[in-house]
Amino acid sequence: DAGITQSPRHKVTETGTPVTLRCHQTENHRYMYWYRQDPGHGLRLIHYSYGVKDTDKGEVSDGYSVSRSKTEDFLLTLESATSSQTSVYFCAIRAPSNEQFFGPGTRLTVL
Amino acid sequence: EDKVVQSPLSLVVHEGDTVTLNCSYEVTNFRSLLWYKQEKKAPTFLFMLTSSGIEKKSGRLSSILDKKELFSILNITATQTGDSAIYLCAVEQETSGSRLTFGEGTQLTVNP
Repeated sequence: DAGITQSPRHKVTETGTPVTLRCHQTENHRYMYWYRQDPGHGLRLIHYSYGVKDTDKGEVSDGYSVSRSKTEDFLLTLESATSSQTSVYFCAIRAPSNEQFFGPGTRLTVL
Repeated sequence: EDKVVQSPLSLVVHEGDTVTLNCSYEVTNFRSLLWYKQEKKAPTFLFMLTSSGIEKKSGRLSSILDKKELFSILNITATQTGDSAIYLCAVEQETSGSRLTFGEGTQLTVNP
């Protein structure tokens, strides 16, 4: 257990509504990541953070924003959800030994 | 464009068989290659490989990296039904944030 929790674990929402997913870590690691996982695509990086208020884009960042105001929390926001954002979202942290460990995931359905 | 390709995409074997999963990559600024196992939940870490030719081993699982030919293999001997999972390969780059690029994964099914 890498001390990572995600909330909510499941969410169903409607197109056009804002959605925020939360990732919380208890390990005080500097690097945190948001991925989405879709059939045929594997895991793809959305955004990552390398410290409080320090974030950068991944390969599929369009339509998503992130914030990190505390070391332990990394928020992913869909400003206006679309059906193409239906996915499973994983948060990850990077340990000092460079391995990344994943949270339990959030299954998001956009109707 | 950075690319990680796994093969086969799916594999069905019988308990006791030995399997070899493949991962090839083309990325800039390679740092390490990681293997994960994913059952119906989050990926769990198996191995991290940074040097060519040095085998990492954990029980019936082992893995090796070839940095010249840009590939890695994951071997599972004496497979069990509990080995059924998606096996993910990812490559870490020496970039800001140490991002991972994942392959699509290999779906392994072990039948009794």
